[in-house]
Amino acid sequence: DTAVSQTPKYLVTQMGNDKSIKCEQNLGHDTMYWYKQDSKKFLKIMFSYNNKELIINETVPNRFSPKSPDKAHLNLHINSLELGDSAVYFCASSPARTEQFFGPGTRLTVL
Amino acid sequence: AQSVSQHNHHVILSEAASLELGCNYSYGGTVNLFWYVQYPGQHLQLLLKYFSGDPLVKGIKGFEAEFIKSKFSFNLRKPSVQWSDTAEYFCAVNSLSASKIIFGSGTRLSIRP
Repeated sequence: DTAVSQTPKYLVTQMGNDKSIKCEQNLGHDTMYWYKQDSKKFLKIMFSYNNKELIINETVPNRFSPKSPDKAHLNLHINSLELGDSAVYFCASSPARTEQFFGPGTRLTVL
Repeated sequence: AQSVSQHNHHVILSEAASLELGCNYSYGGTVNLFWYVQYPGQHLQLLLKYFSGDPLVKGIKGFEAEFIKSKFSFNLRKPSVQWSDTAEYFCAVNSLSASKIIFGSGTRLSIRP
């Protein structure tokens, strides 16, 4: 059974488009996260939700909007995609905000 | 500001060599410490973690790490590396008062067969 799953795995799109990435965890964790990993492997936290409530909102353009319909899901919607948005996006979840369990990642390529 | 430093950006070793990757953090107070590994094309997986107790922590695949509070360090070690250890390694820290984990910039480990 997959603990943290993301869809799609690959996403290739044109500049200016709007896209969404979905994340689901079946671990029963209260906290979920979105990270962006750039081409140099640097991992940067973007958002965190705890029980559907936003608790971390780093300096991220407001073109990025997370949505948590329930505590098992945290989706990421991106408006007006730009070249610089190309990266691998990882979803993660954790119990009690400690160790994190990562999803397989979504490789976003903006052309 | 709270931060995590990994001094080695890229380490190249031959098989059977010993490994030590450095990690230093700048949090005050009580912390939880982690090492994650990311194999090529894969997601991050937990290697080991320290919450409390014995400062020498053993993880999966023969890795271990030592928490030295006075040095704010949590270095990762393995006595004999294998080609399959080729990966990116991330140190991470969260203080119990914070709501997020801070990751270091990662160390790329390349093993020559």
